[in-house]
Amino acid sequence: AQSVSQHNHHVILSEAASLELGCNYSYGGTVNLFWYVQYPGQHLQLLLKYFSGDPLVKGIKGFEAEFIKSKFSFNLRKPSVQWSDTAEYFCAVNSLMDSNYQLIWGAGTKLIIKP
Amino acid sequence: DGGITQSPKYLFRKEGQNVTLSCEQNLNHDAMYWYRQDPGQGLRLIYYSQIVNDFQKGDIAEGYSVSREKKESFPLTVTSAQKNPTAFYLCASSIVAGTEAFFGQGTRLTVV
Repeated sequence: AQSVSQHNHHVILSEAASLELGCNYSYGGTVNLFWYVQYPGQHLQLLLKYFSGDPLVKGIKGFEAEFIKSKFSFNLRKPSVQWSDTAEYFCAVNSLMDSNYQLIWGAGTKLIIKP
Repeated sequence: DGGITQSPKYLFRKEGQNVTLSCEQNLNHDAMYWYRQDPGQGLRLIYYSQIVNDFQKGDIAEGYSVSREKKESFPLTVTSAQKNPTAFYLCASSIVAGTEAFFGQGTRLTVV
């Protein structure tokens, strides 16, 4: 079955540390890729997305992600995290081979930033 | 203000009762979705609708039902047949299926 894996369920960092959250998927064809964030008490919102073109994608709040097709990966990065980045982060993928275009979601990574 | 409104935010239900969760969007989106979010499991698709008067089962549709009589509304009914209904339910919409999804604030359902 098609799946999306997020390697870490919980990550704890200090402010100013660098962040990388892993995301791997199992689709073989053309995909659209997304990272969403859920801040405490708020709704899920889009951080960034990749459809085509430059595999290094910039998102909001200083986040970026790199699509590496050969590794089936779309890892999320931020050079220097802030306390306000404490949230849960979800990777999602949809395959353009799937006529329903449904998003498949990773299990999420809870990020806690220590002030 | 455009967006997706889910109501209520918290809902308590007695075992054996059906309950309907509301989802309304004013974004003029064709596609709408219902997800269930459980800790450590990500989002699982219950039902989705790509267009008015049409909807499809997702991965965990058993014990749930939906309707899509209007473009802006996609209510979800949690029936008594759903064996483990206590969860956080998220409604989303997108311009068309497969594009960026916009989410509501969610409804936390607790069966007592």
